[in-house]
Amino acid sequence: DVKVTQSSRYLVKRTGEKVFLECVQDMDHENMFWYRQDPGLGLRLIYFSYDVKMKEKGDIPEGYSVSREKKERFSLILESASTNQTSMYLCASVLGVDDEQFFGPGTRLTVL
Amino acid sequence: DAKTTQPNSMESNEEEPVHLPCNHSTISGTDYIHWYRQLPSQGPEYVIHGLTSNVNNRMASLAIAEDRKSSTLILHRATLRDAAVYYCILRDGAIIQGAQKLVFGQGTRLTINP
Repeated sequence: DVKVTQSSRYLVKRTGEKVFLECVQDMDHENMFWYRQDPGLGLRLIYFSYDVKMKEKGDIPEGYSVSREKKERFSLILESASTNQTSMYLCASVLGVDDEQFFGPGTRLTVL
Repeated sequence: DAKTTQPNSMESNEEEPVHLPCNHSTISGTDYIHWYRQLPSQGPEYVIHGLTSNVNNRMASLAIAEDRKSSTLILHRATLRDAAVYYCILRDGAIIQGAQKLVFGQGTRLTINP
């Protein structure tokens, strides 16, 4: 069964901390994505990567960075967490242009 | 990205068919129509997609209007497990890199009554 896994389901951090959210897929997909989901705003794309070491900004990249050192792993980094980054974070991967995206279960991050 | 319009919520009864509408009047010729759904406390999951012709799979059917300005997701026999938020999304098939970027709207919250 295809799988996208995320390192934590729930995470609580303090303002100013550096936060790492990890995503791993076992489908050999080229493309991986990080979204955040907030009530009333839907899912918004933060960053995506279409190959190892390649990354592109999405719609709301400010305050975030990403790392893709291996094909199966895509990390989202909050350099200095702030309370407005409290959200549900969703990782996804997809093989090609006309394929379905597979989503992870999400990480609910609370920044105090 | 071309936009879609969906009702905020719909309600149906268990074991009855459900028709979820989506309007996309500004759709372009290369836009695919995708449907995803998100069950409570889970990430979205793919349901179905199509370009021009109607599509069927084990989960649902997708009926696309002849002018492609609207589409309908059909769940033939709803179960309680189909209660979710359903998203209708347009994806431009002409874009190669980053093509899989999906723009999620608010979706339709489907409630299934036992």
